Amino acid sequence: ETGVTQSPTHLIKTRGQQVTLRCSSQSGHNTVSWYQQALGQGPQFIFQYYREEENGRGNFPPRFSGLQFPNYSSELNVNALELDDSALYLCASSRGTGDGYTFGSGTRLTVV
Amino acid sequence: GQNIDQPTEMTATEGAIVQINCTYQTSGFNGLFWYQQHAGEAPTFLSYNVLDGLEEKGRFSSFLSRSKGYSYLLLKELQMKDSASYLCAPLNDYKLSFGAGTTVTVRA
Repeated sequence: ETGVTQSPTHLIKTRGQQVTLRCSSQSGHNTVSWYQQALGQGPQFIFQYYREEENGRGNFPPRFSGLQFPNYSSELNVNALELDDSALYLCASSRGTGDGYTFGSGTRLTVV
Repeated sequence: GQNIDQPTEMTATEGAIVQINCTYQTSGFNGLFWYQQHAGEAPTFLSYNVLDGLEEKGRFSSFLSRSKGYSYLLLKELQMKDSASYLCAPLNDYKLSFGAGTTVTVRA
């Protein structure tokens, strides 16, 4: 079975721009979560999607939005980028039963 | 809500044992995960506890006490490759939250 894949691996954007990050879930997983991880910190929960519906959101502003598609792949969109948005963005998928979350390798976003 | 507390750093010698404690406060608790993360890499799954008690998996064991909001990860027979960050992650209403992580350094 394939794991979780994220694209791109690295990205540089200018303050004020918009970015879309993509995640392909592990086969059989219907739940996807997105996390922001700043250097030296643990991953911070952004939001989670279950069967194309958002079913939980962390303490992030509305300019962070997402989508989950029928094949359970997912996108994270960030509008009006700020310097503090520079971080590693991780996607994790699961079967939604609490028995394991598999993480992708992440997208390293740098905002300049 | 969630309030996850674990030590920032720990250092141990190769072959030794290290115990990483984690306390948490969550509602809608569904279990607790431990993940290992090497620098620049994605977190990888180590253990999952949903019931009280000890789960043993090779050199790694994890303990949970739901009534105390407490868990620990025990690393035995430490190897150099175990130098990494260890993340305590309670599952709350089927959403995973992470502590800041404990950086373990294994010295020869």
